[in-house]
Amino acid sequence: GAVVSQHPSRVICKSGTSVKIECRSLDFQATTMFWYRQFPKQSLMLMATSNEGSKATYEQGVEKDKFLINHASLTLSTLTVTSAHPEDSSFYICSAGNLRGSHTEAFFGQGTRLTVV
Amino acid sequence: EDKVVQSPLSLVVHEGDTVTLNCSYEVTNFRSLLWYKQEKKAPTFLFMLTSSGIEKKSGRLSSILDKKELFSILNITATQTGDSAIYLCARDGQNFVFGPGTRLSVLP
Repeated sequence: GAVVSQHPSRVICKSGTSVKIECRSLDFQATTMFWYRQFPKQSLMLMATSNEGSKATYEQGVEKDKFLINHASLTLSTLTVTSAHPEDSSFYICSAGNLRGSHTEAFFGQGTRLTVV
Repeated sequence: EDKVVQSPLSLVVHEGDTVTLNCSYEVTNFRSLLWYKQEKKAPTFLFMLTSSGIEKKSGRLSSILDKKELFSILNITATQTGDSAIYLCARDGQNFVFGPGTRLSVLP
């Protein structure tokens, strides 16, 4: 399957600082990038969907000024958690959508475990 | 409201048993139904289903879609302890919507 690289895999930061997470599709052009958050023992929660060159569409309840998403190219999307707080500690996963005909097949990055202290 | 429902939410079986996991969805610009397996980190892709009645198979895993009744099943035969994971289904339509997952535990 297609390869999606996400890094860092683990980051610890101080409260009040910002953290950037990168998601790259290595062998295909991702028409759509999805960003998810996952709390322990819970399912994935979609945060936002972004298409290359346009603003991300955020899910209800997700603060767009806090979780900045940039999708500057067809192979790279970034999620920046601004002014991080301990409650932002979570597992963040990106997935890159590969359009195959009329269907999108999504491949996941390895995930980033964020701990805010 | 987009919704994907999975059942059961939790399942404990013994090695060698066969399990069937269920996923039902609401149709909103339906394009495909996907199954993922999640162990410790990010989910890994299992199947993508687009047409009704066509079984997809990979080893001991198989899946089928019923677009009329809006559901899909994932079967695992002769389960092994390595099958223990959370199995997620997702509907690709206007956006991606995941179900809550089924936590499968296979005991030796």
